[in-house]
Amino acid sequence: DAEITQSPRHKITETGRQVTLACHQTWNHNNMFWYRQDLGHGLRLIHYSYGVQDTNKGEVSDGYSVSRSNTEDLPLTLESAASSQTSVYFCASSSRTSRDTDTQYFGPGTRLTVL
Amino acid sequence: DQQVKQNSPSLSVQEGRISILNCDYTNSMFDYFLWYKKYPAEGPTFLISISSIKDKNEDGRFTVFLNKSAKHLSLHIVPSQPGDSAVYFCAASRRGSARQLTFGSGTQLTVLP
Repeated sequence: DAEITQSPRHKITETGRQVTLACHQTWNHNNMFWYRQDLGHGLRLIHYSYGVQDTNKGEVSDGYSVSRSNTEDLPLTLESAASSQTSVYFCASSSRTSRDTDTQYFGPGTRLTVL
Repeated sequence: DQQVKQNSPSLSVQEGRISILNCDYTNSMFDYFLWYKKYPAEGPTFLISISSIKDKNEDGRFTVFLNKSAKHLSLHIVPSQPGDSAVYFCAASRRGSARQLTFGSGTQLTVLP
């Protein structure tokens, strides 16, 4: 079965360190997204990609970067982790072939703690 | 400025009764709306959606109603079951947004046995 996975599921790091969160999907979806979930804010879009070599900034992109070298993966990098980036991070993907492109499918999440 | 709002952080309902979750939006360009359900320690899962050309969409126990003039949508679950206890997120996308979703802050539904 096609799926979307994230690793690690939990991560504790220190302020100032670089951290990379992995996202891998086997849906063969063109579109991939990264969100963070914080209490009272729902899910907020960090970065997204509509295909290989394409990346775009979302609502809360400061301090984050992504790269898309193949269809399956969209790693999220925190260049210099800050305590404000403590959150739960979700990766999602969607297809490009129909109006159903708006339906996104989510991974299980990564809980990141920055001390 | 939150473009999608879920004003009730929590809702408790008795098993077998109807659950009604509400969502308001401010951007008139939104033309597609979705509901996601989220259990603790899991990712959100797609539940049901509706296009702005419709005012109702039904899927089993779940029905979504859209009132474009009021910029309001609601999710009805009937009958409610204990397994429905989860956080429900409303999301919206707009014409030309290239498939981005804007989410509300979520409503925690608790179905009491």
